[in-house]
Amino acid sequence: DAGVIQSPRHEVTEMGQEVTLRCKPISGHNSLFWYRQTMMRGLELLIYFNNNVPIDDSGMPEDRFSAKMPNASFSTLKIQPSEPRDSAVYFCASTLWGTSGSLGELFFGEGSRLTVL
Amino acid sequence: DQQVKQNSPSLSVQEGRISILNCDYTNSMFDYFLWYKKYPAEGPTFLISISSIKDKNEDGRFTVFLNKSAKHLSLHIVPSQPGDSAVYFCAAINTNAGKSTFGDGTTLTVKP
Repeated sequence: DAGVIQSPRHEVTEMGQEVTLRCKPISGHNSLFWYRQTMMRGLELLIYFNNNVPIDDSGMPEDRFSAKMPNASFSTLKIQPSEPRDSAVYFCASTLWGTSGSLGELFFGEGSRLTVL
Repeated sequence: DQQVKQNSPSLSVQEGRISILNCDYTNSMFDYFLWYKKYPAEGPTFLISISSIKDKNEDGRFTVFLNKSAKHLSLHIVPSQPGDSAVYFCAAINTNAGKSTFGDGTTLTVKP
């Protein structure tokens, strides 16, 4: 079975440019999470969706960040305009939440490493 | 306000010895706890979990202990192997809310 698929794996861009990160969750999973890993802040939750609906976006740093989930098999995280402090590894994760026997073990993608110059 | 804390950024142990990784939490609403393992250039992978109704869960060389009164959990790896060298993240969930809160991670190095 395919796991969570993220693209691009690496992105180098210049300050002020728009960045779009993409995620395909595991088929059948109903919850999707975007995390950011930095040296200073560890693994922090940005936003999560349940059944394609954003549930909690309190971790989104500011209005420059936006996330969408137009359907059960695709999500995007967009940064516009990007800044050097956005440089980090962005992880997407999915899980099957709310069913018997499922307590939220997350399946992570390999991450998208973003460098903003 | 960091609700899940891993106070040791790194840990180094000798192959064959026990590795003990610690995690503290502050939110009493957390009722399910997980450990993830992360290798460089990969995403975290689930390792072991424990419900708040238990105080111990064992899976092979890995055991997780939960002390609810102290709001503390630990991961024991016995015996440690060089392939266990990775970053270990502790995570906590309020199963009514559905989101995982992670600690900052502990980098384990197992020396041959």
